[in-house]
Amino acid sequence: GQNIDQPTEMTATEGAIVQINCTYQTSGFNGLFWYQQHAGEAPTFLSYNVLDGLEEKGRFSSFLSRSKGYSYLLLKELQMKDSASYLCAVKLMRGSARQLTFGSGTQLTVLP
Amino acid sequence: NAGVTQTPKFQVLKTGQSMTLQCAQDMNHEYMSWYRQDPGMGLRLIHYSVGAGITDQGEVPNGYNVSRSTTEDFPLRLLSAAPSQTSVYFCASSKQGLGQDTQYFGPGTRLTVL
Repeated sequence: GQNIDQPTEMTATEGAIVQINCTYQTSGFNGLFWYQQHAGEAPTFLSYNVLDGLEEKGRFSSFLSRSKGYSYLLLKELQMKDSASYLCAVKLMRGSARQLTFGSGTQLTVLP
Repeated sequence: NAGVTQTPKFQVLKTGQSMTLQCAQDMNHEYMSWYRQDPGMGLRLIHYSVGAGITDQGEVPNGYNVSRSTTEDFPLRLLSAAPSQTSVYFCASSKQGLGQDTQYFGPGTRLTVL
């Protein structure tokens, strides 16, 4: 089966840097997404990695190591509005279709 | 573009009732999917479709039916609602190409089955 692990909760201070890790054991790996989800809202896209290395997008960066089955999301200069759940999702090939399998999410709380 | 829309936003059902959750997208996306989200369990795929007339099962399909008669619409039917189907349901769509094919989510339907 597929297994995606990420910490359940994290806490950080406004202005700080936080790293949210995601490890996966899957077959048919075809890329990894990070989504942000505020309470009561839909997930929104943050980043996508398909090759090893770091992808930077403003205050957010995402890293992937396919050989280690490992990714992280790095959030810099934390703001109060970054308090949300962060979802790691692995894209898998199933026949002709690409499916997303999600981790349980990491609830990040940013404190003043 | 309205993106992905879902109706209703909230619904309460009694055990055994049936209903249809509506999902529509105006981005001409080939791929559409339904997820349910339960506390502590992340998003789980119920059914998906790679184009009009084509549907397939995801991880948790039991108790749900789908159809895809048009590119725009992908309704999810609960045949006989059970309390275990109390959840938040998200519809998503994406292009089905070789690239990033990011999935875009609708606002969700919060369903309670009594």
